[in-house]
Amino acid sequence: AQSVTQLGSHVSVSEGALVLLRCNYSSSVPPYLFWYVQYPNQGLQLLLKYTTGATLVKGINGFEAEFKKSETSFHLTKPSAHMSDAAEYFCALSTGRRALTFGSGTRLQVQP
Amino acid sequence: EAGVTQFPSHSVIEKGQTVTLRCDPISGHDNLYWYRRVMGKEIKFLLHFVKESKQDESGMPNNRFLAERTGGTYSTLKVQPAELEDSGVYFCASSQGGGRVQETQYFGPGTRLLVL
Repeated sequence: AQSVTQLGSHVSVSEGALVLLRCNYSSSVPPYLFWYVQYPNQGLQLLLKYTTGATLVKGINGFEAEFKKSETSFHLTKPSAHMSDAAEYFCALSTGRRALTFGSGTRLQVQP
Repeated sequence: EAGVTQFPSHSVIEKGQTVTLRCDPISGHDNLYWYRRVMGKEIKFLLHFVKESKQDESGMPNNRFLAERTGGTYSTLKVQPAELEDSGVYFCASSQGGGRVQETQYFGPGTRLLVL
């Protein structure tokens, strides 16, 4: 069985500060990992994904994530938060069965 | 290109009633998924269609839920009779197909279901 754990259901940062959203996974086979973002009243939008190859993955809107197998982590970062980054972020995993296994989500608040 | 659309956006029904949710995937996408997020919990997989066939329905909670995808285009998810614990947000997603397991799933905005 696989699982995804997102540490912190709510994270608050100041505008311009570093954003760090944590994601740890458990999987018995090599996983594919995803970060999705949900803005209010919208669907989930893919930010970035890790499949194979380079462990540092760059996504849209200045976000990136690093796959660390030894730590079973896939944390999402952005050097400088913007007000428009306020949303809910979901880490997800797939192991070939095609269905995604999601974490419980982290709501990011950006303070002016 | 239109994205994944879902109808209705909100539905409020009483316990014991029937509700039908609809999902229109991106045109040409063979794979269609249903997910559900119960309040405060994680998004959970319900089932997966490849064209009109059910590929995986291991996430369906019970036989009160019936999903169809006639003709391999849009899909409906019927809940009959609805119970209080069915309240939540129902998401639909689609992906192109072609055998790659890491292909991107594109999500709709969800249907917010409240059962009173």
